[in-house]
Amino acid sequence: EAGVVQSPRYKIIEKKQPVAFWCNPISGHNTLYWYRQNLGQGPELLIRYENEEAVDDSQLPKDRFSAERLKGVDSTLKIQPAELGDSAVYLCASSPAGRAQETQYFGPGTRLLVL
Amino acid sequence: GENVEQHPSTLSVQEGDSAVIKCTYSDSASNYFPWYKQELGKRPQLIIDIRSNVGEKKDQRIAVTLNKTAKHFSLHITETQPEDSAVYFCAASGANDYKLSFGAGTTVTVRA
Repeated sequence: EAGVVQSPRYKIIEKKQPVAFWCNPISGHNTLYWYRQNLGQGPELLIRYENEEAVDDSQLPKDRFSAERLKGVDSTLKIQPAELGDSAVYLCASSPAGRAQETQYFGPGTRLLVL
Repeated sequence: GENVEQHPSTLSVQEGDSAVIKCTYSDSASNYFPWYKQELGKRPQLIIDIRSNVGEKKDQRIAVTLNKTAKHFSLHITETQPEDSAVYFCAASGANDYKLSFGAGTTVTVRA
């Protein structure tokens, strides 16, 4: 079974530019998560989707971050405009049935560097 | 919200020795505690998890213990091998909570 797929793997942009990350979860997984991992830290949840609905976006900085999961499968996370402090690894994860305490399967992440 | 603290931040052990990583959590309602291993440049992968209805769980060379009274849980790796070198993260979540709160990670280096 293929794992969670993310692209691009690396992105370097100048501040104030927009950037987008793409995630394809494991087939059949209804729940999708976006996390941000700062250097030397654990992942921090940005947003959680159940199918196409964003059910927890309380940690998403909505002034510059947006996300969508239009058909309940792939998802895109966007930052516009990017700031220096957005440099981090953006991880996507998925889990099967949307139950609490399910195993979350992570993608390889997108490493963003904002100059 | 939940606050998870993890110690030590770095750990160097001789191959064949044991490694122990400890985490504490703040929310007494938390009852699910997974451990993830992240090799350099790779995705975090679940290696073991424990729920609050058990005090210990083992899987070959890896074990996790949980002390709910003291609100701490630990990862034990025995007979360490070079391939155990990685960053290990603990996490916690509550019974109805989908959100995992992660510790800051422990970088484990196994010396050959």
